[in-house]
Amino acid sequence: AQSVTQLDSQVPVFEEAPVELRCNYSSSVSVYLFWYVQYPNQGLQLLLKYLSGSTLVESINGFEAEFNKSQTSFHLRKPSVHISDTAEYFCAVSGGDNYGQNFVFGPGTRLSVLP
Amino acid sequence: DTGVSQDPRHKITKRGQNVTFRCDPISEHNRLYWYRQTLGQGPEFLTYFQNEAQLEKSRLLSDRFSAERPKGSFSTLEIQRTEQGDSAMYLCASSSYSGSSNYGYTFGSGTRLTVV
Repeated sequence: AQSVTQLDSQVPVFEEAPVELRCNYSSSVSVYLFWYVQYPNQGLQLLLKYLSGSTLVESINGFEAEFNKSQTSFHLRKPSVHISDTAEYFCAVSGGDNYGQNFVFGPGTRLSVLP
Repeated sequence: DTGVSQDPRHKITKRGQNVTFRCDPISEHNRLYWYRQTLGQGPEFLTYFQNEAQLEKSRLLSDRFSAERPKGSFSTLEIQRTEQGDSAMYLCASSSYSGSSNYGYTFGSGTRLTVV
């Protein structure tokens, strides 16, 4: 079985400051890792994903995440946040016996960007 | 392509009533998934279809829940004899699966159910 931990339920940060949202997973097999963002009253939008290759993946809006196999982590970072980044962020894992079927999501981290 | 559509967006119902939600996936996608998201939690997998076949059901899917995808296109999720604990956001997703590759996993905006 797989599981995802997001230790920070809420992260307040001032505009233009850097931010890191932590994600750790557990799995006995190879996994694929994802970050999704959810704005109020909306569905989930894929932010970025790691499937294979380079362990550092980037999104088009300045977020990046690094897959660290030894630490079983996939932390999300942004060097300078904007007000519009305020949202709920979910880390998810898919792989092994779950591949191609469904995701296991973490509980989410609410990012609040303050002016 | 308008993405994954879910209807209705919001549903308020009295305890004990039956409700049905609809999901229209991206047209070329052969897989369709249902998730439930309660307040302050991440989505939890309920069930998924490949074409019209329901291939997996979570233990979260009690006997009061039933999902169908009769023609391999849209899907419905019915909850019978609703309980207050059923209040949640119900999310649908679809993808294109071929062999070992799963592409274009896309979520809809969800149906928010409130049981009073």
